[in-house]
Amino acid sequence: DAEITQSPRHKITETGRQVTLACHQTWNHNNMFWYRQDLGHGLRLIHYSYGVQDTNKGEVSDGYSVSRSNTEDLPLTLESAASSQTSVYFCASGGTGNTGELFFGEGSRLTVL
Amino acid sequence: KNEVEQSPQNLTAQEGEFITINCSYSVGISALHWLQQHPGGGIVSLFMLSSGKKKHGRLIATINIQEKHSSLHITASHPRDSAVYICAVYTGNQFYFGTGTSLTVIP
Repeated sequence: DAEITQSPRHKITETGRQVTLACHQTWNHNNMFWYRQDLGHGLRLIHYSYGVQDTNKGEVSDGYSVSRSNTEDLPLTLESAASSQTSVYFCASGGTGNTGELFFGEGSRLTVL
Repeated sequence: KNEVEQSPQNLTAQEGEFITINCSYSVGISALHWLQQHPGGGIVSLFMLSSGKKKHGRLIATINIQEKHSSLHITASHPRDSAVYICAVYTGNQFYFGTGTSLTVIP
């Protein structure tokens, strides 16, 4: 069965460290997205990609970067982790067509101390 | 300004009760999604709607395009329904998400 997986599921890091969250999908979707989820906010878009070598900034992209070297993977990198980036991060793929059906990963909980 | 508003934010119900969660939106949409997130878990899609009504088991979702409003109903609620329910609208090229409704069903 096709799936979308994230790793690590939980990570604790220190301020200033570089962190990379992995996202891998086997749906063969061109579109992939990274969101963060915080109390009191809906899911907020960090970065997204419409295909290999394509990346775009979302509404909360400062301090984050992504790269898309193949269809399956969209890693999210925090260049220099800050306490404000403590959050739960969700990767998703799909989001096209009339319905825009999205498939979400299980989430990665990041704590920056 | 939030493009998607959900109510209530929190809801506690006794097992067996009928539950309604509401979603209002302010943008033109191609489809509306209801998502479910269990504590510590991932997000799964319950429904995708562009008109009318859909039913899966004890869950019913309705949408009124003219009024820009959708409801998610749970009949005969059960403790396993305890989760966060998220309304999301798809405009055809982007998503807007509500902040979610946290539902707790007490045995």
